[in-house]
Amino acid sequence: NAGVTQTPKFRILKIGQSMTLQCTQDMNHNYMYWYRQDPGMGLKLIYYSVGAGITDKGEVPNGYNVSRSTTEDFPLRLELAAPSQTSVYFCASSYQQGGSGNTIYFGEGSWLTVV
Amino acid sequence: AQTVTQSQPEMSVQEAETVTLSCTYDTSESDYYLFWYKQPPSRQMILVIRQEAYKQQNATENRFSVNFQKAAKSFSLKISDSQLGDAAMYFCASPNQAGTALIFGKGTTLSVSS
Repeated sequence: NAGVTQTPKFRILKIGQSMTLQCTQDMNHNYMYWYRQDPGMGLKLIYYSVGAGITDKGEVPNGYNVSRSTTEDFPLRLELAAPSQTSVYFCASSYQQGGSGNTIYFGEGSWLTVV
Repeated sequence: AQTVTQSQPEMSVQEAETVTLSCTYDTSESDYYLFWYKQPPSRQMILVIRQEAYKQQNATENRFSVNFQKAAKSFSLKISDSQLGDAAMYFCASPNQAGTALIFGKGTTLSVSS
């Protein structure tokens, strides 16, 4: 039972580099989310998707892009990495919309450092 | 914008004692769900308890219960008979404006001493 799988778990990027955080879920969930968690802080919603081909911005979308070509995958792209993007990134999914009581399942997080 | 406020950055409790973590939220919806998540040092996000707003009865899950005051938009978490394994960061969460995702408070770090 894999659930939500994120790769890589750890990554160090140089300023200005780009990278993609991969996320896949095997629960046939419609909704997927990307959150970031800065040290000692709560989770901030970056982007979310309500189904394949549909994405929408969350609280902190600047500097990121997403796509959802399949139900299973929801990659997060960082363009021109900046030190302010140093954070732990969580991918999550739920069968229906998370704000309506459906359980949101989280991946284990990806630690990203930009130097 | 919807907001979730946890006013206690840190709390401490002794084993077997009871502790209450506070949370207030802001929503214009009439029916919604509220959540408490636990994040141990492993960083894994674990759902502790959820409360549906239209239900009068406070939710309970074993040693965890909530005190939900809808009019005051308050949603506190009570942990009874605290155990060392309860030490973690606890996050309160409520729906975003569209109801499609959750927004989280800044968290309360709970330490448990023996």
